[in-house]
Amino acid sequence: AQTVTQSQPEMSVQEAETVTLSCTYDTSESDYYLFWYKQPPSRQMILVIRQEAYKQQNATENRFSVNFQKAAKSFSLKISDSQLGDAAMYFCAYFMDSNYQLIWGAGTKLIIKP
Amino acid sequence: EPEVTQTPSHQVTQMGQEVILRCVPISNHLYFYWYRQILGQKVEFLVSFYNNEISEKSEIFDDQFSVERPDGSNFTLKIRSTKLEDSAMYFCATQTHNTAQYFGPGTRLTVT
Repeated sequence: AQTVTQSQPEMSVQEAETVTLSCTYDTSESDYYLFWYKQPPSRQMILVIRQEAYKQQNATENRFSVNFQKAAKSFSLKISDSQLGDAAMYFCAYFMDSNYQLIWGAGTKLIIKP
Repeated sequence: EPEVTQTPSHQVTQMGQEVILRCVPISNHLYFYWYRQILGQKVEFLVSFYNNEISEKSEIFDDQFSVERPDGSNFTLKIRSTKLEDSAMYFCATQTHNTAQYFGPGTRLTVT
């Protein structure tokens, strides 16, 4: 069965600095998708970034980028120039078409220090 | 930008009562999901729905739960006889082929 592990329950970073959130996953499949979702205090679940496993190029969305290491089954999220609005829970999630569900990590709480 | 909507935003109900949570998917999306998140805990998958039938369901999704898309727009989750442990945030998510799942704002269910 697929699993997703986020080993950092909480991270803190100074405003304007860079922070990296870790995620590892376990699967025997070769074709799948990986996501980072952000959940601010409002509890809305907001898509941050997605990565297709067949793509070697790391996904980037403005200040957010990933380091996807398929062989190591690692999918970390880098946030550059951290802003106060980035404070939230961040969830890593795995999806495979045949499973019809997202499999979630436990989340990392990101604190931004002004 | 199109978005998923959910109603109500907050539902308070007594144990044993039936509740229906509603979701309006993004219009061209074909796959629909319900997840729940107990406060402070992990997000849990409940059920996925495609082509008017359940594609996958978790162990949580027992006989007390049902889903339907009665009018081709709303996607509903019914809990027949609520328990205290059903108190959680319930999220609807929708997607089309090869896209991410987009989430609604959630319904906070409180069972007293």
